[in-house]
Amino acid sequence: EAQVTQNPRYLITVTGKKLTVTCSQNMNHEYMSWYRQDPGLGLRQIYYSMNVEVTDKGDVPEGYKVSRKEKRNFPLILESPSPNQTSLYFCASSFQANTEAFFGQGTRLTVV
Amino acid sequence: SQQGEEDPQALSIQEGENATMNCSYKTSINNLQWYRQNSGRGLVHLILIRSNEREKHSGRLRVTLDTSKKSSSLLITASRAADTASYFCVRWGNAGGTSYGKLTFGQGTILTVHP
Repeated sequence: EAQVTQNPRYLITVTGKKLTVTCSQNMNHEYMSWYRQDPGLGLRQIYYSMNVEVTDKGDVPEGYKVSRKEKRNFPLILESPSPNQTSLYFCASSFQANTEAFFGQGTRLTVV
Repeated sequence: SQQGEEDPQALSIQEGENATMNCSYKTSINNLQWYRQNSGRGLVHLILIRSNEREKHSGRLRVTLDTSKKSSSLLITASRAADTASYFCVRWGNAGGTSYGKLTFGQGTILTVHP
């Protein structure tokens, strides 16, 4: 089944403790991206990757890192999480930019 | 930044009625997409309409696009309780521009369909 898989689905962590949210797609898509969704602010793009080893900042990249060492994976790294990064995170992939995007089920992160 | 504005922000209707949601945007587009999100869950792609198309249908969904007015609308006909969700218009940054690769969401319309 074609899908985008995020892990974990739920995570509660403490301020400053490094964490990684994984994202994997099985559709051989070139494009992958990360978003956060917050009440009243909607969905905002954090980082995106047009292809392997190519990443670019979205609208809210501060406090996040990404890497794209292989086509199928696009992990989101929070080196030192803070409470303002408490949010619902989505990963998405598409064949390339300007095409239909497929979203993962989301990761609900709480930083205390 | 949010460059898609949707209205209404919330819409409450009875089963069987039609629901219309509107989306406006500020810059030129290659295509515009509509997605549905059920209560904090993943987003599901509904329909993509290209800039050279004026109308597109998919089942009970009808999307229109007016590039001169920079607006689009999503019509759901004969709505069902299962259509209750948030609906977003989404656009890609233009190829060749500095925002190419960026995906921008509207604020969304919360649709509630009462049985």
